[in-house]
Amino acid sequence: NAGVTQTPKFRILKIGQSMTLQCTQDMNHNYMYWYRQDPGMGLKLIYYSVGAGITDKGEVPNGYNVSRSTTEDFPLRLELAAPSQTSVYFCYARGQGQNYGYTFGSGTRLTVV
Amino acid sequence: AQSVSQHNHHVILSEAASLELGCNYSYGGTVNLFWYVQYPGQHLQLLLKYFSGDPLVKGIKGFEAEFIKSKFSFNLRKPSVQWSDTAEYFCAVNPSSGSARQLTFGSGTQLTVLP
Repeated sequence: NAGVTQTPKFRILKIGQSMTLQCTQDMNHNYMYWYRQDPGMGLKLIYYSVGAGITDKGEVPNGYNVSRSTTEDFPLRLELAAPSQTSVYFCYARGQGQNYGYTFGSGTRLTVV
Repeated sequence: AQSVSQHNHHVILSEAASLELGCNYSYGGTVNLFWYVQYPGQHLQLLLKYFSGDPLVKGIKGFEAEFIKSKFSFNLRKPSVQWSDTAEYFCAVNPSSGSARQLTFGSGTQLTVLP
């Protein structure tokens, strides 16, 4: 049981390049979220999804896109990478019910140069 | 929208000292509360959470937190820290009701424990 898997773990992009950060979960959780973490800023919500086919913007969505064609996968797309997108990106999935748990992926460290 | 404040950005303690990290939140309704720990280069791990019931919550690694509703606070405590507790600590909240219930995080507190 892998939980939440993020790939790649590290990536260096040049300004203007595009890439997709992958997030896959095997827990059949409906809720999935993408955050970025910057030093001294905590984690900011980029996008989230409450189920397959349903996505919504978070606090800092500009420059990113997401899709949720299946329950398992929630990829985050950067179309035109900018230095401001240098960050660590975390995906997590949440179960339902009163004692739902949150399972975080191990993160993707992205540097845009 | 909810917000979370962690007033201590960096705390330095000697081993065996007691720890208390502050967390205050702002939200107009009922919330769930969480403390996460992040060791260098790793992802967030859940220390403890509060949904309802006893406001004194015990978590892993000897940590505990107390929810004081009147003060909108959820401070993290540990009676005696160890060098291995050196990490960054995040407080987070989310609404108790609603569909998405996305977490809102504080800016984090870096704890350094000196041997």
